[in-house]
Amino acid sequence: TQLLEQSPQFLSIQEGENLTVYCNSSSVFSSLQWYRQEPGEGPVLLVTVVTGGEVKKLKRLTFQFGDARKDSSLHITAAQPGDTGLYLCAGVSSARQLTFGSGTQLTVLP
Amino acid sequence: KAGVTQTPRYLIKTRGQQVTLSCSPISGHRSVSWYQQTPGQGLQFLFEYFSETQRNKGNFPGRFSGRQFSNSRSEMNVSTLELGDSALYLCASSQSAGPDTQYFGPGTRLTVL
Repeated sequence: TQLLEQSPQFLSIQEGENLTVYCNSSSVFSSLQWYRQEPGEGPVLLVTVVTGGEVKKLKRLTFQFGDARKDSSLHITAAQPGDTGLYLCAGVSSARQLTFGSGTQLTVLP
Repeated sequence: KAGVTQTPRYLIKTRGQQVTLSCSPISGHRSVSWYQQTPGQGLQFLFEYFSETQRNKGNFPGRFSGRQFSNSRSEMNVSTLELGDSALYLCASSQSAGPDTQYFGPGTRLTVL
């Protein structure tokens, strides 16, 4: 079973601060996805990274896929209260199944 | 375009009962996947259906089953409910088979008493 460990589990910061969420595994994934989930809703796909070393930017969010395609990070610059939510990474295995990380609950205080 | 819809949104059952959850994918989407989300185990893949055929299955007991109809709507059934089956059940749809670009519904919150 492929496992994805996310850290930190909880993060509470002030508006304007920067933060990084990590997603690590001992397994190689063909691609990795990042989602954000808000209460009462399903996860919403933010980005998919495919190539080792790939960096993608989505406004204030920067996603990076590790060179070995085993780990990934999400960096948010100048966090805003609207960024509050549960951030989930998910790796796509060779069997074409999604393995989700445990999630990072981010709270951005105004 | 309407999003993924799931019914019912909330459900309360007792141990030993069975339950059927429904998912209507985005129009034109032929793949539906089901996931279980719990505080302890997180989000776990149950199974995927594409064109009425189960394409992939996660590591869940046989009490969990599903099916897909010709209009791509899908149902998930859990028999002989256990307390540990209490969870948010999410379905996700995509145009093609596989987990590449999935759109999740709001989920069905199942509580087993």
